[in-house]
Amino acid sequence: AQSVTQLDSHVSVSEGTPVLLRCNYSSSYSPSLFWYVQHPNKGLQLLLKYTSAATLVKGINGFEAEFKKSETSFHLTKPSAHMSDAAEYFCVVSDFGRSSNTGKLIFGQGTTLQVKP
Amino acid sequence: EPEVTQTPSHQVTQMGQEVILHCVPISNHLYFYWYRQILGQKVEFLVSFYNNEISEKSEIFDDQFSVERPDGSNFTLKIRSTKLEDSAMYFCASTGVWWANTGELFFGEGSRLTVL
Repeated sequence: AQSVTQLDSHVSVSEGTPVLLRCNYSSSYSPSLFWYVQHPNKGLQLLLKYTSAATLVKGINGFEAEFKKSETSFHLTKPSAHMSDAAEYFCVVSDFGRSSNTGKLIFGQGTTLQVKP
Repeated sequence: EPEVTQTPSHQVTQMGQEVILHCVPISNHLYFYWYRQILGQKVEFLVSFYNNEISEKSEIFDDQFSVERPDGSNFTLKIRSTKLEDSAMYFCASTGVWWANTGELFFGEGSRLTVL
């Protein structure tokens, strides 16, 4: 069975400092992995995705994530946080790739990113 | 840019009432989904729908829930008799041709359901 664990429920950084949001996954086949962001009272926006191409994935708004198979990790980073980055971030794995897949996404518990001035 | 649209954005209902949430997926998509997010909790899969039938559903999706694609463009979620614990944000999602797809889903902005 697939699962996703986000290691921090809440991360607080100062504006201009790096961001690291940690995610570990479990999958019995080659996964597709995503990071989605949810701003307050808004829908889910795709930040970036890994689909078995390059292991370092670049997304919108300066975010990146690196797929590390040996560590089963897909951590999200950004060199310099901006106030507008304050939001809820979800690490997500897709069942795309299993023989009976239906495109279901499995969400992590979410990490709240707080950015202090 | 094509997008998934959901209505209503917020609905308040009394316990025991029927609710229908509406979604218009992206026009050339073939796979449709409903997810829900109870306040403060993670997003949970409810149901996937393809070729006019349910392809997978979660334990949450019991007999009180149903989905329908009545006219080739809309995709609805019906809750027959709402309970307090159905209060949540409901997200509709869609995706395109499977073998060309990377697994990415396109989400609507959500419908917030409040059951009193």
